[in-house]
Amino acid sequence: GESVGLHLPTLSVQEGDNSIINCAYSNSASDYFIWYKQESGKGPQFIIDIRSNMDKRQGQRVTVLLNKTVKHLSLQIAATQPGDSAVYFCAESSSGSARQLTFGSGTQLTVLP
Amino acid sequence: ETGVTQTPRHLVMGMTNKKSLKCEQHLGHNAMYWYKQSAKKPLELMFVYNFKEQTENNSVPSRFSPECPNSSHLFLHLHTLQPEDSALYLCASSHVSGGTDTQYFGPGTRLTVL
Repeated sequence: GESVGLHLPTLSVQEGDNSIINCAYSNSASDYFIWYKQESGKGPQFIIDIRSNMDKRQGQRVTVLLNKTVKHLSLQIAATQPGDSAVYFCAESSSGSARQLTFGSGTQLTVLP
Repeated sequence: ETGVTQTPRHLVMGMTNKKSLKCEQHLGHNAMYWYKQSAKKPLELMFVYNFKEQTENNSVPSRFSPECPNSSHLFLHLHTLQPEDSALYLCASSHVSGGTDTQYFGPGTRLTVL
């Protein structure tokens, strides 16, 4: 299958700063992208998603940016808080895949006090 | 918390044991999934059930046997597992609509095979 990868396995940010987590994908047919947050001992939690007909989507303190030209996806977290410390996964799917998600390996975000 | 529950949360079993994992979703979804999450590896899709019918089996060994009696319940029957099968097993559900089909996950079952 197609690969979904993350640029950095770990990211440390100061509390209150903005965080940017990046993700690259290789399947040009991908048309749906999603970010999950996984805290220790818990299952992945949905954060935000975006379809390929959009470049940007905003949620509460989070923004997802999609650059289809370079097959790049990013998650921006504004005013990062200690509760944001977790592993963040991106995933993608294409309409022809019966909505099978292909996950990246995850980025560990650590928020420093 | 998420509308998807899994039991047990932790399971330790020997290689000759038979056990089952249970998943239940309370979200009115019509698709359910089993994933395996091993340390430092991406989530691996194991099985997909769409309207109770198995639509995907991603080359999973036969020692893992799924069962979906209705759209709200999903089981994973385990027998003669290997130590390398130790992992976090995650269940997810979604509403298949031809659109985004966002998947929502349960908390997982931490399985240890001795």
